[in-house]
Amino acid sequence: NAGVTQTPKFRVLKTGQSMTLLCAQDMNHEYMYWYRQDPGMGLRLIHYSVGEGTTAKGEVPDGYNVSRLKKQNFLLGLESAAPSQTSVYFCASSYRASGNTIYFGEGSWLTVV
Amino acid sequence: KNQVEQSPQSLIILEGKNCTLQCNYTVSPFSNLRWYKQDTGRGPVSLTIMTFSENTKSNGRYTATLDADTKQSSLHITASQLSDSASYICVVTEGNTDKLIFGTGTRLQVFP
Repeated sequence: NAGVTQTPKFRVLKTGQSMTLLCAQDMNHEYMYWYRQDPGMGLRLIHYSVGEGTTAKGEVPDGYNVSRLKKQNFLLGLESAAPSQTSVYFCASSYRASGNTIYFGEGSWLTVV
Repeated sequence: KNQVEQSPQSLIILEGKNCTLQCNYTVSPFSNLRWYKQDTGRGPVSLTIMTFSENTKSNGRYTATLDADTKQSSLHITASQLSDSASYICVVTEGNTDKLIFGTGTRLQVFP
């Protein structure tokens, strides 16, 4: 039972480089999310999706883009990485937003130098 | 402003002892409150979800309580084990938007 799988787990980028984080879930969930976690702060929502082909902005969307071409996958892209994007990124999924368990992936550690 | 505040920020206890973590929130309207456990270097794992009408919910040695009138929740851990060492995060769902508002967590360390 894989649940929510994120790749890569660790990555170091140079400022200005681009990269994509991949999230895959095998629970047939409609909702998928991307969060970032920084020291001393609660998880903050970057973007989310309520179904295949849909995306929406969260609390801190600037500098990120997402795509949900398949129901089981949710991609997070950084077009031009900045040191402020150094963080731990978590993907999550759920059947619906309210009242249902939200399952998180194991995290992706990104450092931008 | 909708906020979730947790206390203490960190806590050290001896194995076998009980402890209680606190969560106060100002989120309104309220939909539900969740507690998550996050081991170092891992993703958060759900412990409990409580709605407005639920006062107590247990998951093994973890018992969460909710007082929606005072907007307070607590997570009680009974007979702590070394594996309980982790961060515990309180999350409140805003009723109008289904937005999740995360606390910054309590870091618990259990020593033998």
